[in-house]
Amino acid sequence: AQTVTQSQPEMSVQEAETVTLSCTYDTSESNYYLFWYKQPPSRQMILVIRQEAYKQQNATENRFSVNFQKAAKSFSLKISDSQLGDTAMYFCAFAPTGGNQFYFGTGTSLTVIP
Amino acid sequence: GEEVAQTPKHLVRGEGQKAKLYCAPIKGHSYVFWYQQVLKNEFKFLISFQNENVFDETGMPKERFSAKCLPNSPCSLEIQATKLEDSAVYFCASSQPGGSRTNEKLFFGSGTQLSVL
Repeated sequence: AQTVTQSQPEMSVQEAETVTLSCTYDTSESNYYLFWYKQPPSRQMILVIRQEAYKQQNATENRFSVNFQKAAKSFSLKISDSQLGDTAMYFCAFAPTGGNQFYFGTGTSLTVIP
Repeated sequence: GEEVAQTPKHLVRGEGQKAKLYCAPIKGHSYVFWYQQVLKNEFKFLISFQNENVFDETGMPKERFSAKCLPNSPCSLEIQATKLEDSAVYFCASSQPGGSRTNEKLFFGSGTQLSVL
């Protein structure tokens, strides 16, 4: 069975500071993708960043980067220079390559404080 | 189109009534997924399609839920005899076709908010 765990239901960060959101997953698959999605109050799900498990190099997208530890099955998201528009729910997700579905964590509600 | 289009945005039904939700995936995407999100939190997988074929339906409450993806028509998710606990946002998502790159990324629609009163 595949599971995704986000152990921080809520977090806050001061504007311009850095915050790290945690995610761990459990799988017996060897090939898979990992994702972070952002869901602002508008409820639209927005892809923030994606990591392919076979790549050792951590993915980065502007102010967003991940720390992917395959052996530990850990996939944390770092947001640098936090902005007010980063306030949202963040969902970690896992998808086996060629699999039937995506598996989501229960989300972390991030608030950026002015 | 270049976005996943879900209709309607909001749907209100009395308990016991039928609800039907629609989803047009991005043109060229072969995979369609339906998820139920309750209380802005957990995403519960319902069903996935590869073109018009059911790919995985392990999440579907089969007694009252059904779904289709027919050629040249939007995909649909239908709930017969809705219950209060069906109140949720229902998301449709699509992904690119083909082999090992099936799950390269999911593109989401904006969801349908179903309220059962």
